[in-house]
Amino acid sequence: DILMTQTPLSLSVTPGQPASMSCKSSQSLLHSDGKTYLCWYLQRPGQSPQLLICEVSRRFSGVPDRFSGSGSGTDFTLKISRVEAEDVGVYYCMQGIQIPLTFGGGTRVEIK
Amino acid sequence: QIQLVQSGAEVKRPGASVKVSCKTSGYIFSRYGIGWMRQAPGRGLEWMGWISSYNGNTEYAKWLQGRVTITSDTSTSTAYMELRSLKSDDTAIYYCARAPVFDSWGQGTTVVVSS
Repeated sequence: DILMTQTPLSLSVTPGQPASMSCKSSQSLLHSDGKTYLCWYLQRPGQSPQLLICEVSRRFSGVPDRFSGSGSGTDFTLKISRVEAEDVGVYYCMQGIQIPLTFGGGTRVEIK
Repeated sequence: QIQLVQSGAEVKRPGASVKVSCKTSGYIFSRYGIGWMRQAPGRGLEWMGWISSYNGNTEYAKWLQGRVTITSDTSTSTAYMELRSLKSDDTAIYYCARAPVFDSWGQGTTVVVSS
């Protein structure tokens, strides 16, 4: 199974400041079709997860452009350019290249 | 709009089975699969398996050791997840989501396994 490792475990951010988190996979997520199968989700407190980004950097419909994804191969980053109160929650990365699909352990973002 | 509505909370005894439903609307059911994930209290997300709503093909996580079956009914645009031989470790919130990228999720179904 592909192991997904997220760091840091938690982030405390002042509103309006940037935030960045990392996701590393134990194997390359680059498929022979040229796509890299890495998605990011946000789970707000008490809610179901919601899709933010897939294929490393493609924002899902309605996701604010303050969220951006980058990376390649086995190393990926999610950045929030200016954190807002509604960004609080746990962020998960997930690999979609191999069954079983696997999630990282999550990075919790809180507001200072 | 796309909606996935799951069945209500369940309390089960160890050794019993549970079947959770996921009724979808707002899109053509047969064009997308449905995945099932779970989240134990205070823990992260685990992928359990998924089904192609087009042809009924399924794949499951091996760690479930054959205890899970995912089915779908195209006539009602509903997917189901049955978990058998329940243990206390199966206490979790179970989610369905539209595959393959899980761009829409159900509200979650709490399953408590307790004697």
